Amino acid sequence: GESVGLHLPTLSVQEGDNSIINCAYSNSASDYFIWYKQESGKGPQFIIDIRSNMDKRQGQRVTVLLNKTVKHLSLQIAATQPGDSAVYFCAENIRSGGSYIPTFGRGTSLIVHP
Amino acid sequence: KAGVTQTPRYLIKTRGQQVTLSCSPISGHRSVSWYQQTPGQGLQFLFEYFSETQRNKGNFPGRFSGRQFSNSRSEMNVSTLELGDSALYLCASSSDPGTGMSEQYFGPGTRLTVT
Repeated sequence: GESVGLHLPTLSVQEGDNSIINCAYSNSASDYFIWYKQESGKGPQFIIDIRSNMDKRQGQRVTVLLNKTVKHLSLQIAATQPGDSAVYFCAENIRSGGSYIPTFGRGTSLIVHP
Repeated sequence: KAGVTQTPRYLIKTRGQQVTLSCSPISGHRSVSWYQQTPGQGLQFLFEYFSETQRNKGNFPGRFSGRQFSNSRSEMNVSTLELGDSALYLCASSSDPGTGMSEQYFGPGTRLTVT
């Protein structure tokens, strides 16, 4: 499959555990944040987003927490499954030209052991 | 509904050549963005087009250019290829109503190798 990065931080968990993936962002002007999942050989897949006027948002089995004070974002995956194994990226977005300019984190490799 | 398609999937070029990559967005999507992904730099934003206009551009040299057609299909061009341009080039489309905040759907990418 496609290599999305060398020496990525790795999180190894057992199936059924909860996973927490962290991301530090750099620009205090960023006001929109997205988490992506990328499986080997595929393009990134949108998981969940959050605007800067929120500090928590929940989806199906996933929760994103945003702490603007320390510029930190986290993705919590409940009851992690082997199919969750992938590289996870956060993206901070800055408003520009009626849209956003994204900056991506390097990613974290999640390995789920059956 | 068909997903985002990118052609070609794999490409090998020589330094100094130019290359054109193509992206067909999901039907009805007017926003198309391009990204470069490398092991060293990770995922980086190249540019975004919306209704045939470039709405935003990342920090890449002028050798990287793009355009969008009236049917929302997009192409990106890299001229005077360098070894460092070897990467996975990803295209993403969204049904953005104009706010910029809508889910992006990525294609599988074009793997470009420059020798």
